[in-house]
Amino acid sequence: KNEVEQSPQNLTAQEGEFITINCSYSVGISALHWLQQHPGGGIVSLFMLSSGKKKHGRLIATINIQEKHSSLHITASHPRDSAVYICAVRSDTGNQFYFGTGTSLTVIP
Amino acid sequence: EPEVTQTPSHQVTQMGQEVILRCVPISNHLYFYWYRQILGQKVEFLVSFYNNEISEKSEIFDDQFSVERPDGSNFTLKIRSTKLEDSAMYFCASSEDRPYEQYFGPGTRLTVT
Repeated sequence: KNEVEQSPQNLTAQEGEFITINCSYSVGISALHWLQQHPGGGIVSLFMLSSGKKKHGRLIATINIQEKHSSLHITASHPRDSAVYICAVRSDTGNQFYFGTGTSLTVIP
Repeated sequence: EPEVTQTPSHQVTQMGQEVILRCVPISNHLYFYWYRQILGQKVEFLVSFYNNEISEKSEIFDDQFSVERPDGSNFTLKIRSTKLEDSAMYFCASSEDRPYEQYFGPGTRLTVT
């Protein structure tokens, strides 16, 4: 059973395009994380959300708690944004974490 | 900028051997985590640790696994008798407090032969 589902699994975009990655979850959560995993394997935390919207530079993350859905948007995409983007949630019944399978993004110059 | 460090970067061990993976979390952080990622699969939560005890663990974290904070800086994951299926990348993370953002280490690639 997958507590966290992401779409799409793979995404190819032209440089400059606006990108959206979606995450749906089925458990009650206290927080949702968006992570970026580089080709070398390293993981960087992009956002932690419990409500509303956050913005860092060209990245925007939103969450709708009622619909159990979050989106990660990248504006003016660049080849250096190419990575796997992972949605993860912390359950509200403890400090347990569930991860999505990731969205592999390739931005072509 | 402070960062989480992990050693070694790659560990090769024989089946049945014990391994200890080491992590140095960010110094003022209070919560510590271990995750694993089998090649080609999603990241999986193993355990969280706070105030010198396990606060949550997943089904994966069975009696073969243990965690320890032996001193004020290190956080270790021990696998007592490794199996082939323990081959994975193991990530350590830390956060300042429970609802805070996590900072990940670079990972240790464990290969069990």
